[in-house]
Amino acid sequence: KQEVTQIPAALSVPEGENLVLNCSFTDSAIYNLQWFRQDPGKGLTSLLLIQSSQREQTSGRLNASLDKSSGRSTLYIAASQPGDSATYLCAAIYGGSQGNLIFGKGTKLSVKP
Amino acid sequence: EAGVTQSPTHLIKTRGQQATLRCSPISGHTSVYWYQQALGLGLQFLLWYDEGEERNRGNFPPRFSGRQFPNYSSELNVNALELEDSALYLCASRLVAGIAREQYFGPGTRLTVT
Repeated sequence: KQEVTQIPAALSVPEGENLVLNCSFTDSAIYNLQWFRQDPGKGLTSLLLIQSSQREQTSGRLNASLDKSSGRSTLYIAASQPGDSATYLCAAIYGGSQGNLIFGKGTKLSVKP
Repeated sequence: EAGVTQSPTHLIKTRGQQATLRCSPISGHTSVYWYQQALGLGLQFLLWYDEGEERNRGNFPPRFSGRQFPNYSSELNVNALELEDSALYLCASRLVAGIAREQYFGPGTRLTVT
């Protein structure tokens, strides 16, 4: 069964700290992995997309890596700010699928001023 | 460029009624996906439409259905509403060229069934 898992479910850090969010997936035959941000009651904002042939992607203070052999992806947030507080979701598209995303349950991040 | 739009923002229905949710994809996108985000269950894939056809559906009963119009907008219908259908329903669109393309999400419709 293709599954995506995110640990921890919640994380609280002081402002300015660098942090890493973890995502693991059960099948190495993924096409890509996408990281999203979701604010309470809102839709999803795409942060980074990593193709299966790539190892990492960067956007501003965000860096996402992908290791297919270990079935893991990480999202690194540098110099965290209170505005980064949100739920972060990772989602995978698997080979043989019809392109629908399989989501983890997310990590709820709280950055304290 | 306008993003994915959804309407209505909120919808309150009574158990047993029908709900209709609408989605307009980004201009040029022909694939539309529907997802359900129920409390405690995470985001789950519902339906995928491409070029006017239903291409795939998730593990949901047949009372969840929909369609895609010639302009690629889409409608999700939920019949015989049950309390557990209360959720945030998200629509996403994607360029049809390759399933590895990025999906872009709308703001969602919050459905409450009482």
